[in-house]
Amino acid sequence: GAGVSQSPRYKVAKRGQDVALRCDPISGHVSLFWYQQALGQGPEFLTYFQNEAQLDKSGLPSDRFFAERPEGSVSTLKIQRTQQEDSAVYLCASSLPPGGGANYGYTFGSGTRLTVV
Amino acid sequence: KQEVTQIPAALSVPEGENLVLNCSFTDSAIYNLQWFRQDPGKGLTSLLLIQSSQREQTSGRLNASLDKSSGRSTLYIAASQPGDSATYLCAVPYGQNFVFGPGTRLSVLP
Repeated sequence: GAGVSQSPRYKVAKRGQDVALRCDPISGHVSLFWYQQALGQGPEFLTYFQNEAQLDKSGLPSDRFFAERPEGSVSTLKIQRTQQEDSAVYLCASSLPPGGGANYGYTFGSGTRLTVV
Repeated sequence: KQEVTQIPAALSVPEGENLVLNCSFTDSAIYNLQWFRQDPGKGLTSLLLIQSSQREQTSGRLNASLDKSSGRSTLYIAASQPGDSATYLCAVPYGQNFVFGPGTRLSVLP
């Protein structure tokens, strides 16, 4: 597609519920990133994929967070047993060069706003 | 660890004013710095990228400067318009990723 597409745009989950957030990167983009943006804050890095390989997951806040990109294109961020502090906008970004995202620029999706009640 | 801060946190100005947004970073060993714009409910749009070898970068009414030695960047917006209302974030590379500042929320009043 022409841009990075994320779904759903909004998600309300009851505390303890599992959620899955989807990211469709720009076709052919090798690098894919997930960020978490709390209200009034800048985005914070969660995890990075190069094709299907998850090369960095150092930003995932707990073992309740899990991300995958099995075929090197679409990625899913899963949060198990959601808690109120998980409420945030989850942004996905993709970049064409492998490993060169921050130096060559990303394209960001519009994000998924997760509210845990 | 790289930390990025931005001041002011919020700014409200009448249409037509020139304004300056400030960004500071703690580790001066950066390859570049980017300024992004974020509209409510939208993703981030890259505005300007300044390479470490550059001191300034311009795009239309926007001008960004970079002083690596002092760990500072400024975004200058000339002749502000209501359509400039958004949150402006600066970011520096950290490995494969970005470290973002918290943003400056700008309101330009007609």
